[in-house]
Amino acid sequence: DAGITQSPRHKVTETGTPVTLRCHQTENHRYMYWYRQDPGHGLRLIHYSYGVKDTDKGEVSDGYSVSRSKTEDFLLTLESATSSQTSVYFCAISEGGLAKNIQYFGAGTRLSVL
Amino acid sequence: AQSVTQPDIHITVSEGASLELRCNYSYGATPYLFWYVQSPGQGLQLLLKYFSGDTLVQGIKGFEAEFKRSQSSFNLRKPSVHWSDAAEYFCAVDTGNQFYFGTGTSLTVIP
Repeated sequence: DAGITQSPRHKVTETGTPVTLRCHQTENHRYMYWYRQDPGHGLRLIHYSYGVKDTDKGEVSDGYSVSRSKTEDFLLTLESATSSQTSVYFCAISEGGLAKNIQYFGAGTRLSVL
Repeated sequence: AQSVTQPDIHITVSEGASLELRCNYSYGATPYLFWYVQSPGQGLQLLLKYFSGDTLVQGIKGFEAEFKRSQSSFNLRKPSVHWSDAAEYFCAVDTGNQFYFGTGTSLTVIP
């Protein structure tokens, strides 16, 4: 998985609790992304980062926040998890931003919000 | 609005048969195009990409794809499918400032 580690791989939590997912890369790539994957929707971008402390919103950012304090780590936080956030979350990295830059994906985190 | 359409949600083919997975995009200019494959419980792996030049591109695992500007299509093909090709396949479009995935096509391979 191109030097990308997502943790945890599986998590079950309750509605209203905070949840943080971690993505760690060893490739020193500048760009990092968080996607969610849901049946019938493919992958949708939640947030992305283009450098340390530099982040921006994606298509489905409501209810999520991110932080990147180091090049290698990109955290996704659900401040108060809801059942609609039950999904599989993927982290991706790329050397540059869009336009010809290939994204490499982690193995995913399966999150269930009960 | 830009979009990526994979019209086939699920396809079943026999091992050894040929395969074609369809992908159409909606975008004013020529985007950068990708096919990814996802095996069960795994992340996405890049199969191939098209940026410019020859419209027939070769990828890993014996896959190829052809870009047809007139049809706004980027269909994925394989001449002879193997049981290990069973997976979900995603077409993706990079417009230069946004990246869009199709909803995926699930491939079942029967012996």
